[in-house]
Amino acid sequence: GENVGLHLPTLSVQEGDNSIINCAYSNSASDYFIWYKQESGKGPQFIIDIRSNMDKRQGQRVTVLLNKTVKHLSLQIAATQPGDSAVYFCAEKAGTYKYIFGTGTRLKVLA
Amino acid sequence: DAGVIQSPRHEVTEMGQEVTLRCKPISGHNSLFWYRQTMMRGLELLIYFNNNVPIDDSGMPEDRFSAKMPNASFSTLKIQPSEPRDSAVYFCASSASGGGETQYFGPGTRLLVL
Repeated sequence: GENVGLHLPTLSVQEGDNSIINCAYSNSASDYFIWYKQESGKGPQFIIDIRSNMDKRQGQRVTVLLNKTVKHLSLQIAATQPGDSAVYFCAEKAGTYKYIFGTGTRLKVLA
Repeated sequence: DAGVIQSPRHEVTEMGQEVTLRCKPISGHNSLFWYRQTMMRGLELLIYFNNNVPIDDSGMPEDRFSAKMPNASFSTLKIQPSEPRDSAVYFCASSASGGGETQYFGPGTRLLVL
């Protein structure tokens, strides 16, 4: 159940360090974005969302930044833990109910 | 709350056989989505139901695929006849919002068609 492509980028970080995962989106008119976490063998899990009228939104240990000028999203995870190891992907709202999902980034947390 | 429930979790079948995937959305959610996830194409929307009514089935690959939602607590995705290229992980997701925001995904059904 992993959202992977043949060339899925991988980010390796040391436990306790901060992680930054990036995503480029396609439609400058998109007004809502979601970050998902997908662990092996599981379905995507909602982490955090952001609307286009915001530049930043914080959750517990996670922060999403939105740069509309360059159509870029980032997910920052503070004090990365082994349980954060997963594939992370962004989704942009492409219509009333449709989303365009990114191919994902695999995060590996090194002990 | 049990979350979105899907069955079976794994299915291995032979080409030409009928496959039926099942989904129970979260109680009270009025939107239901079926997705397919593959290594090559990532996550793709197959069909979207709102209040048990199919709103958009443009993502259904071909006539071999069909989906139903007879009531608010149950949906099926059927493939008949199945082909090896249908091998993928199929996810069901539900949302309390008609806009599909904050979708809750089930654990998925891993389908392998031999």
